[in-house]
Amino acid sequence: DARVTQTPRDKVTEMGQEVTMRCQPILGHNTVFWYRQTMMQGLELLAYFRNRAPLDDSGMPKDRFSAEMPDATLATLKIQPSEPRDSAVYFCASLLAGDKNEQFFGPGTRLTVL
Amino acid sequence: GNSVTQMEGPVTLSEEAFLTINCTYTATGYPSLFWYVQYPGEGLQLLLKATKADDKGSNKGFEATYRKETTSFHLEKGSVQVSDSAVYFCALSVPYSGAGSYQLTFGKGTKLSVIP
Repeated sequence: DARVTQTPRDKVTEMGQEVTMRCQPILGHNTVFWYRQTMMQGLELLAYFRNRAPLDDSGMPKDRFSAEMPDATLATLKIQPSEPRDSAVYFCASLLAGDKNEQFFGPGTRLTVL
Repeated sequence: GNSVTQMEGPVTLSEEAFLTINCTYTATGYPSLFWYVQYPGEGLQLLLKATKADDKGSNKGFEATYRKETTSFHLEKGSVQVSDSAVYFCALSVPYSGAGSYQLTFGKGTKLSVIP
């Protein structure tokens, strides 16, 4: 049963610390998305990649957020330094472009910045 | 640009009641339309989809019909169960639209609570 995995599932950290979230897309999927979900803003697209190349990161605060795909099986989202307003659930999703146009979501990382 | 508007919740229904969650959209190009469901503490799961006008998506008793003339994709279920309690998101994407291909635009979500 192929699925997107994310680690950690929960992260509590203090303001100013670096946070790294990891995502393993479904094997063979070539497009990866990072979303942030909060009560106030709902679901926001932060960035996405196709074939490991960044296509759009306009939704991401550039000064503190960075997203990369070191290889086809790993996507990372890093926040440095973290701030309390970054507290949210961060989702990764993947799909195979040209296939059924269906995004498959991971379980999310719940981030709390104190 | 693309946008999705769905009815605000929360919606509370008794078991076996009829459910409708309204969703309308604006899009450039020819969007595919989706309903995703999020159960407490979990990620989003695709519930159903439709890729062209007049298509009906269906799954687990839920249905939605792609209405191009009214730019709508309302979610319906004839008889809800307690296990349907979740947040429902309407979304669209426009495939083959260059750099924006496959990017989902979501509505705000509608929280459904079904009571026994």
